[in-house]
Amino acid sequence: DGGITQSPKYLFRKEGQNVTLSCEQNLNHDAMYWYRQDPGQGLRLIYYSQIVNDFQKGDIAEGYSVSREKKESFPLTVTSAQKNPTAFYLCASIKRSTPNTEAFFGQGTRLTVV
Amino acid sequence: GESVGLHLPTLSVQEGDNSIINCAYSNSASDYFIWYKQESGKGPQFIIDIRSNMDKRQGQRVTVLLNKTVKHLSLQIAATQPGDSAVYFCAENYGSGNTGKLIFGQGTTLQVKP
Repeated sequence: DGGITQSPKYLFRKEGQNVTLSCEQNLNHDAMYWYRQDPGQGLRLIYYSQIVNDFQKGDIAEGYSVSREKKESFPLTVTSAQKNPTAFYLCASIKRSTPNTEAFFGQGTRLTVV
Repeated sequence: GESVGLHLPTLSVQEGDNSIINCAYSNSASDYFIWYKQESGKGPQFIIDIRSNMDKRQGQRVTVLLNKTVKHLSLQIAATQPGDSAVYFCAENYGSGNTGKLIFGQGTTLQVKP
């Protein structure tokens, strides 16, 4: 069964700690994205990667880091530099093709700072 | 600037009526658009997409219309059902090659009255 999987579903972080959110896909998609969603808000782009070993900053990259060592994996690290990390984090992957494009999200990780 | 927005934050419709959700995008270089549906606590679910060389695309009970002249996108849902209640996001994609930067609007909440 192909899909995109985020883990964990819930994550608690103490102030000053780094935490890493996992995103794995077995869809053979080239492009992967990380978004942050705050309550009642839209999705804001943190980082994206179009190909292995390459990634670009989105609109709110400060305090976050990513890696793309494998096509299937695009982990996001929320560092202690991120002052307000409590949010819902969503990972997506896309493969554009004709006639149908595949564009899927994971089920999200809810991060809470305690 | 880079933004994708929607005209109405909340849309309330009667069950069985047709729904129209609108979206304005700002980047004339965007070449690909997606509509997503998000239910509470879940990741966005792909509904339908459209490329910039098209002005209409139909799916099952949904139709997306693209007007590049005024940079406007709409999602039409036929015979709206209670299960359609959710937040709907439009997203625009621009960049080189087959993938690029995927930017989301703020979302429209669709409420279906029985």
